[in-house]
Amino acid sequence: GQSLEQPSEVTAVEGAIVQINCTYQTSGFYGLSWYQQHDGGAPTFLSYNGLDGLEETGRFSSFLSRSDSYGYLLLQELQMKDSASYFCAACGDDKIIFGKGTRLHILP
Amino acid sequence: DADVTQTPRNRITKTGKRIMLECSQTKGHDRMYWYRQDPGLGLRLIYYSFDVKDINKGEISDGYSVSRQAQAKFSLSLESAIPNQTALYFCATSEVAGLSTDTQYFGPGTRLTVL
Repeated sequence: GQSLEQPSEVTAVEGAIVQINCTYQTSGFYGLSWYQQHDGGAPTFLSYNGLDGLEETGRFSSFLSRSDSYGYLLLQELQMKDSASYFCAACGDDKIIFGKGTRLHILP
Repeated sequence: DADVTQTPRNRITKTGKRIMLECSQTKGHDRMYWYRQDPGLGLRLIYYSFDVKDINKGEISDGYSVSRQAQAKFSLSLESAIPNQTALYFCATSEVAGLSTDTQYFGPGTRLTVL
């Protein structure tokens, strides 16, 4: 079957760094995406890894290891506005499969 | 103006009623999707369409049907609504260019309550 596993909740302190992990099992895999969703809002695209390694976009970075079927999203210099849910999504075959999401709580 | 719009934004209906959720996009994308979101379950794919003549079932299509009236319009119907279809529904579009990200662009969502 196809599935993605990510922690349901993560808590971090404002200004700190947090890593959200994602492991996947999916057929025809060709990349891992990350989406952010604030309460009451729609998911928005953050990043994509089609190749192994680290992709950096401002304060956010994402990593992929195909051999380990594993990726993570790294958020640096956390701000209160980063409080949201984060979804990893495996891009494979002809559609995307989303994980159940990680709720990020940020403490002042 | 928003690129992906959904109507209605909120709907309360009764068990057994037929209801249609509509999605329109101005992005010019060929691919359109319907997802439902339930607390703790993430986004689950209901149906997807790669063009007007191509409709595919997702992982939870039972109890739902869709219509792709045009490249820009993709409607989701609940023929006979039941309470466990109470959820937040999202429409999304994507444009694929080779082995691209297939980035999904989501509409604002429709909150559906079935009593």
